[in-house]
Amino acid sequence: EAQVTQNPRYLITVTGKKLTVTCSQNMNHEYMSWYRQDPGLGLRQIYYSMNVEVTDKGDVPEGYKVSRKEKRNFPLILESPSPNQTSLYFCASNPLAGDYEQYFGPGTRLTVT
Amino acid sequence: GESVGLHLPTLSVQEGDNSIINCAYSNSASDYFIWYKQESGKGPQFIIDIRSNMDKRQGQRVTVLLNKTVKHLSLQIAATQPGDSAVYFCAEKQHGNQFYFGTGTSLTVIP
Repeated sequence: EAQVTQNPRYLITVTGKKLTVTCSQNMNHEYMSWYRQDPGLGLRQIYYSMNVEVTDKGDVPEGYKVSRKEKRNFPLILESPSPNQTSLYFCASNPLAGDYEQYFGPGTRLTVT
Repeated sequence: GESVGLHLPTLSVQEGDNSIINCAYSNSASDYFIWYKQESGKGPQFIIDIRSNMDKRQGQRVTVLLNKTVKHLSLQIAATQPGDSAVYFCAEKQHGNQFYFGTGTSLTVIP
């Protein structure tokens, strides 16, 4: 089954404690992206990657890091989480050629206290 | 960042009626637009897309209209069903694969 998986689905952590949210896709897509979703603000793009070792900033990259060492994986790293990073996070992937239909993961709800 | 907005945050329709959800965008250079549906507790799900060289595209029970003159996008759902109740987002793709999403319209279908 074609899918995007994220782990963990729920995470409660404290300010300053480094964390990583993993994302993996099994569709051989070149493009992967991270979004955060906050009430009243919709989805905002954090980082995206157009292929292995190619990443770029989205609309709200501050406080986040990403890496793309393998085509299927695109982890989101919060080196020093702060309460304003409490949000619902989605990973997505799509092929670069043809349609840009993005496949989204199930989401990770992060709470930083 | 770019602004992609929706005219109404909520919309209620009777089952069987047609629904129209609107979206305004501000970047005339955007070349691709997408509508997503998000059900409670799930990630957004692709519904339909349209490229900037088209005015209309139809899918199964859904139609997307693009008016580049006024930078307006709409999603029409025919014969709305209870399963259509969800939040609907429009999104635009700009240079370098950057996507900008609207804030969403919550559609409620009344049985």
